[in-house]
Amino acid sequence: DAKTTQPTSMDCAEGRAANLPCNHSTISGNEYVYWYRQIHSQGPQYIIHGLKNNETNEMASLIITEDRKSSTLILPHATLRDTAVYYCIVRVLDSSASKIIFGSGTRLSIRP
Amino acid sequence: KAGVTQTPRYLIKTRGQQVTLSCSPISGHRSVSWYQQTPGQGLQFLFEYFSETQRNKGNFPGRFSGRQFSNSRSEMNVSTLELGDSALYLCASSLALDGTGELFFGEGSRLTVL
Repeated sequence: DAKTTQPTSMDCAEGRAANLPCNHSTISGNEYVYWYRQIHSQGPQYIIHGLKNNETNEMASLIITEDRKSSTLILPHATLRDTAVYYCIVRVLDSSASKIIFGSGTRLSIRP
Repeated sequence: KAGVTQTPRYLIKTRGQQVTLSCSPISGHRSVSWYQQTPGQGLQFLFEYFSETQRNKGNFPGRFSGRQFSNSRSEMNVSTLELGDSALYLCASSLALDGTGELFFGEGSRLTVL
């Protein structure tokens, strides 16, 4: 699985959009981009995933560049409850689907 | 529906002992994977089971083992515990290997080795 690079930490004002970048320059054509987040002392929580097209769900939006070498997770209206470590992961969906390689993630702090 | 359940949530062991952790996946999920999380190494993949068969294994010594039962419940065992085994052990379940790939994690079992 390709590796990802994320900033160590970021902060965002409550109510504003939080934009979390991720670089995955070695991504393969069949690898998806996934985002998970981990709130302190809890298990990671799935947020969103995509292959080529931008995706949106009730939690966030995922913007993938045309060359697929980077992506941005957007939390449209950040709240204090969005304070967490956010992991960007790339992986294929095959028999090794569950062998996720987590990087260090981005620690997002939401300030009041 | 009920989420992934891990037991026990907290436990303390001493060096040399062994420990067994349990994971009950979401009903209908057949894939169960295990991860170790430590402050220094982050989240690391241990192994993954599907239909009672180990499909993938991470780079951990043989002291770490696991199994999956016919009802998809899974256990992992760590023998001859070392201080460095102190960690949060997370279990995740998913519907199938070729599904959306979404993993559902439990709250974890926090192991302290003294």
